[in-house]
Parts: sequence; structure tokens; C-alpha cells
Amino acid sequence: ETGVTQTPRHLVMGMTNKKSLKCEQHLGHNAMYWYKQSAKKPLELMFVYNFKEQTENNSVPSRFSPECPNSSHLFLHLHTLQPEDSALYLCASSRELAGAGTQYFGPGTRLLVL
Amino acid sequence: GQQVMQIPQYQHVQEGEDFTTYCNSSTTLSNIQWYKQRPGGHPVFLIQLVKSGEVKKQKRLTFQFGEAKKNSSLHITATQTTDVGTYFCAGGSNYKLTFGKGTLLTVNP
Repeated sequence: ETGVTQTPRHLVMGMTNKKSLKCEQHLGHNAMYWYKQSAKKPLELMFVYNFKEQTENNSVPSRFSPECPNSSHLFLHLHTLQPEDSALYLCASSRELAGAGTQYFGPGTRLLVL
Repeated sequence: GQQVMQIPQYQHVQEGEDFTTYCNSSTTLSNIQWYKQRPGGHPVFLIQLVKSGEVKKQKRLTFQFGEAKKNSSLHITATQTTDVGTYFCAGGSNYKLTFGKGTLLTVNP
């Protein structure tokens, strides 16, 4: 499946680093999402964008900063992260906002914060 | 807010045995979706149920949506090692999709 791509696939960073995660969807969808998936925890919705506008921020710390320049691209800028931020970060897209539309997930970026 | 509970959290079966995971929502849903995540992979959409009492089948998988549109189940008949993974339900309503914690299925060959 190549409908939703994410780069990098793996990332190791120190707590003082700044890095960005990239997501691109080739499905013509209007909504895009960032999720965090930690071991033994459910999928945690972080941000929702619909037609490039942020519609949801689930009390995410400011060290995570999303950017959606257009309906096909979504970024997650990371700075001064903590070790507990280590997780799999999944991007997803859907044709319409998620209540009705099914979500297509990217392969994820596995992040380790040292 | 809307909560989606899923049980069991883990299930280990012998190959050939059946498996069922259950999903319950605190509120009435407009639809229920099911996803499967293989070990090391990402969630992949399986199916969406919309109608009250709806039942859908995909080969050995049977999905049900409750009459009150607040609960759902996924049943796998005669499990195979390829069924290994975490099965998530996700309840949709009011432009929100809330995922359950998932059921991790392991199959002993």
C-alpha cells in the first residue's frame, strides 16, 4: 500500500534536537490526522486537519507542532522532546472527517528519544 | 466524551479455534469500523458497519453491529497463523472516530 507515505520510518533524537516528520497522501483525501501509538496504549489522536485547517488538538504539548501546507501534506515538527515521547507516530487520511469516513494509515515513524 | 471499550485485551488461541472480540460504546454510533494491525505494521481498514443489526462477512471473519448501534463484535472462525495481530474497533459519530484499545490475537500453530 502506497496511498499514505511517511518519512522517516525510524528516527533517533536527543532531547535538545529539532526534527520533522513528514506525511504525504496520494488518495485525494481532504482530512489528515496524526496519531501517537505507545506500547500497551491505545491509539491517541493528536491533531486533525480538514481542508488544511486544524480542527482538533487533543491537548498535545507544544513541543509537538503540526503543519499542513496543503491537503496532501502533513508535517509534525518536534523540539525538546522527552523520553516518554518515544512511540510510533502514525499519519492517516480520510476522504471526509473521520466520523463517517474510513481512515488510511501510513506505515508510521518509529521515534526514539534519548 | 465518547468512550469505546474493547475486550478482551489479549487472546491466545490454538490454530483452528475460533476468536471473538467485543466492542462497546458509551454513546450511540453512526458507524463502527474495524482495523487490523499486524505486528510491526500499521492499522489497516477491514470493514465499516452502518445499519442497526448489520452483519457482514469477509471469508472467515464475521462482523456484527448491535441493534442499538452501541456495540459490535468481530468473530474469526478457525483461526490461522496469518490472523495474528491487534484488532481495533473504532466508533464513528459527530465527525469523530474513537478507537478502542484493541485486542491482541496470538495463534499457536
